[in-house]
Amino acid sequence: ETVLTQSPATLSLSPGERATLSCRASQSVDRFVAWYQQKPGQAPRLLIYDATNRATGIPDRFSGSGSGADFTLTISSLEPEDFAVYYCQQRKYWPPLTFGGGTKVEMK
Amino acid sequence: QLQLQESGPGLVKASETLSLTCSVSGGAISGSGHLWGWIRQPPGRGLEWIGSFRDSGRKSTNYSPSLRSRVTISIDSSKNQFSLSLTSVTAADTAVYYCARHSDTVGITAFDIWGQGTMVTVSS
Repeated sequence: ETVLTQSPATLSLSPGERATLSCRASQSVDRFVAWYQQKPGQAPRLLIYDATNRATGIPDRFSGSGSGADFTLTISSLEPEDFAVYYCQQRKYWPPLTFGGGTKVEMK
Repeated sequence: QLQLQESGPGLVKASETLSLTCSVSGGAISGSGHLWGWIRQPPGRGLEWIGSFRDSGRKSTNYSPSLRSRVTISIDSSKNQFSLSLTSVTAADTAVYYCARHSDTVGITAFDIWGQGTMVTVSS
């Protein structure tokens, strides 16, 4: 099973600041990583797929980078609605499809 | 516009079987080339993939190894629905259960459309 480790667990930032979230895989997963945003009481929302591709309707302040085993989600300038939990997920080696443990972006 | 909606009992007794249905509207499950799956999230915790199936081309069903012995995913094409059955439940199966569409070949290759989720509590 491919384990995804997200860091940090919590990121405390202010609106307008840049957020950098990390996702590390236990083995190379090429570029087959997606990122999701989840707000309390809501289903996850797809942000990025295949490491760098923004999903439909996702603002360009969200960007993904990386390949192999190290991936990054960057939010260039945090908006109030961006405070949420973010998950990465890999599809290179499945079953099982696996998710990271999440990073919570909270308002400082 | 494709939409998914989970339904089923919100309370299940320990040792019994959890059964949920995902109703799909705005598009067909069969023949689309997409995969359709179940994911769960225990309260306050992260996401866990349960299983997925594809009902076109190279038809297949895959399950999480940790749940394989207890899980069955089935499809009712006539109703455009698919279902989850999880046997011998315990308190550890208490979670919000989501159904979702994904792909590994066509379109967006990730879970791009999700149901709203349904909370299932296992009682002793």
